[in-house]
Amino acid sequence: DGGITQSPKYLFRKEGQNVTLSCEQNLNHDAMYWYRQDPGQGLRLIYYSQIVNDFQKGDIAEGYSVSREKKESFPLTVTSAQKNPTAFYLCASSFGGLQTAEQYFGPGTRLTVT
Amino acid sequence: DQQVKQNSPSLSVQEGRISILNCDYTNSMFDYFLWYKKYPAEGPTFLISISSIKDKNEDGRFTVFLNKSAKHLSLHIVPSQPGDSAVYFCAAIGRVTGGGNKLTFGTGTQLKVEL
Repeated sequence: DGGITQSPKYLFRKEGQNVTLSCEQNLNHDAMYWYRQDPGQGLRLIYYSQIVNDFQKGDIAEGYSVSREKKESFPLTVTSAQKNPTAFYLCASSFGGLQTAEQYFGPGTRLTVT
Repeated sequence: DQQVKQNSPSLSVQEGRISILNCDYTNSMFDYFLWYKKYPAEGPTFLISISSIKDKNEDGRFTVFLNKSAKHLSLHIVPSQPGDSAVYFCAAIGRVTGGGNKLTFGTGTQLKVEL
């Protein structure tokens, strides 16, 4: 069954701790993306990667870091520098280039930092 | 700077009637538009898309209309069903250096289809 998995679904952390969110896909997609969703703000792009070992900052990258060591995996680390980390985080993937515009989303991780 | 705007945060429609969700954009470089549907605590799922070279695309009960001169698109759902109740996001594609796609999302419209 092809798809995108994110784990865990719910995550709780204390303020000041770094936390890493997992995203794995078996769709053979080249490009992967991280978004966060806040109430009333839609989805905002944090980081994206078009190919292994390469990634670019999105619109709200401050306080986040990513890695892309494997095609299938694009973990997101929420660092203690992120001022407002509590949000719903969504990972997505797509074919690279101009093959298709459609992005496929995982089920999301809700992170709560207290 | 909200480049993709959905000015109606919510819409309520009776079952069987037409639902019309609207979206406006400001960036004339956007060349591809998508609609996603999202249920609570789940990831968005792709619904329908339209290229800027077209003004209409239809898929079953869903039709998207694009008016490039007005920088406006709309999603029509006919007939509306209770299972259509969800948040609908409009998204626009801006091509990024080296290929690939960067989606810019609107803020979403909560559709409620009532019996």
